[in-house]
Amino acid sequence: QQQVKQSPQSLIVQKGGIPIINCAYENTAFDYFPWYQQFPGKGPALLIAIRPDVSEKKEGRFTISFNKSAKQFSLHIMDSQPGDSATYFCAAKETSYDKVIFGPGTSLSVIP
Amino acid sequence: EPEVTQTPSHQVTQMGQEVILRCVPISNHLYFYWYRQILGQKVEFLVSFYNNEISEKSEIFDDQFSVERPDGSNFTLKIRSTKLEDSAMYFCASNRGNEKLFFGSGTQLSVL
Repeated sequence: QQQVKQSPQSLIVQKGGIPIINCAYENTAFDYFPWYQQFPGKGPALLIAIRPDVSEKKEGRFTISFNKSAKQFSLHIMDSQPGDSATYFCAAKETSYDKVIFGPGTSLSVIP
Repeated sequence: EPEVTQTPSHQVTQMGQEVILRCVPISNHLYFYWYRQILGQKVEFLVSFYNNEISEKSEIFDDQFSVERPDGSNFTLKIRSTKLEDSAMYFCASNRGNEKLFFGSGTQLSVL
């Protein structure tokens, strides 16, 4: 129940395309859902985050869509660029706890 | 921009040896964390540390692991007797108690 599922495992899109990464969870006590971006040789970096009282959040080219009833959320990257090529992790957290639970990651390649 | 710094970037050790991984969190942060990432797998929480004591730990963080903040700037993870399965990338992170985690670039630990 503490797991966060993520798909697809890898994704290749053309420059300008809109990659979509999907995540699902079971624990309804999760109340914070961040997305992290990781480049090779670096630690994860927070990209964008959402709370379950909001159905969508947009920051620049990155949008999270959140479906509380389905316990699913997704990341859309508009007008994707080769510089967006990285591994993306969805994650979840309960306010009462310190730990962030990460999904298994999606390796995104944006080809010119 | 302030960064979490980790040393060394790579550490090779023999099974059964003790290792100490070092981190300098961002200076005005109060909460400190260790996560690990086994090659190709998800990022896993190990431990959180606040006010000079462990706040939360995972099942992975057994008696072989310990953390310490020996002075005002460093935060260390010690593995007392390393096993082959401890081989992973270890990430230190810090924050001010809000959800946003700032990760270092990691220490790649290889246990032979």
